[in-house]
Amino acid sequence: GNSVTQMEGPVTLSEEAFLTINCTYTATGYPSLFWYVQYPGEGLQLLLKATKADDKGSNKGFEATYRKETTSFHLEKGSVQVSDSAVYFCALIGPHNAGGTSYGKLTFGQGTILTVHP
Amino acid sequence: NAGVTQTPKFQVLKTGQSMTLQCAQDMNHEYMSWYRQDPGMGLRLIHYSVGAGITDQGEVPNGYNVSRSTTEDFPLRLLSAAPSQTSVYFCASSYSGDRGNSPLHFGNGTRLTVT
Repeated sequence: GNSVTQMEGPVTLSEEAFLTINCTYTATGYPSLFWYVQYPGEGLQLLLKATKADDKGSNKGFEATYRKETTSFHLEKGSVQVSDSAVYFCALIGPHNAGGTSYGKLTFGQGTILTVHP
Repeated sequence: NAGVTQTPKFQVLKTGQSMTLQCAQDMNHEYMSWYRQDPGMGLRLIHYSVGAGITDQGEVPNGYNVSRSTTEDFPLRLLSAAPSQTSVYFCASSYSGDRGNSPLHFGNGTRLTVT
């Protein structure tokens, strides 16, 4: 079955530091890949996505590239802010068969807690 | 738009009690789902629905029932609560197009404690 593995947290950084959160996946075929973010007391929000190999998703200064050869989708940001403190989830849907859909049945990683200090 | 609304925000139950977690969305999304979030385990899919009158089981369905009588509502029922069901529950919905790649919209969660 599908699975997603994220780097162990928590991750603690100073403001303006470089962020990497590793994510690798196991799936047959070609899944779509996502990063979701959860701020304290809230539900998850889509941060970025990539639906095919070599696609780069980006949003709010965050980026992740779909690497089929290494089955990875690592999240990066060049300069984090205190407001980026949250839990980050890597997730996948699929694989999609010809003409089919997985209707949003996401498989999530365990989440990585990020804390950014001033 | 309210998006996805979950009630209640918090609930404490005794073992064996039953309750219903409510979920409503006002975005006319066909797809709705329930996840539970447990420390170190990410989110796991409990049940999902691809439209009114259609439901199916996810990864961890035991102990939970769902129904989908309208597009807007997707309640989750615990028939006989157990301490193992202590968790944070999230309802989510999405547009069913784009072959499942449409983003999920999440509610703010219900924190359930079973004693």
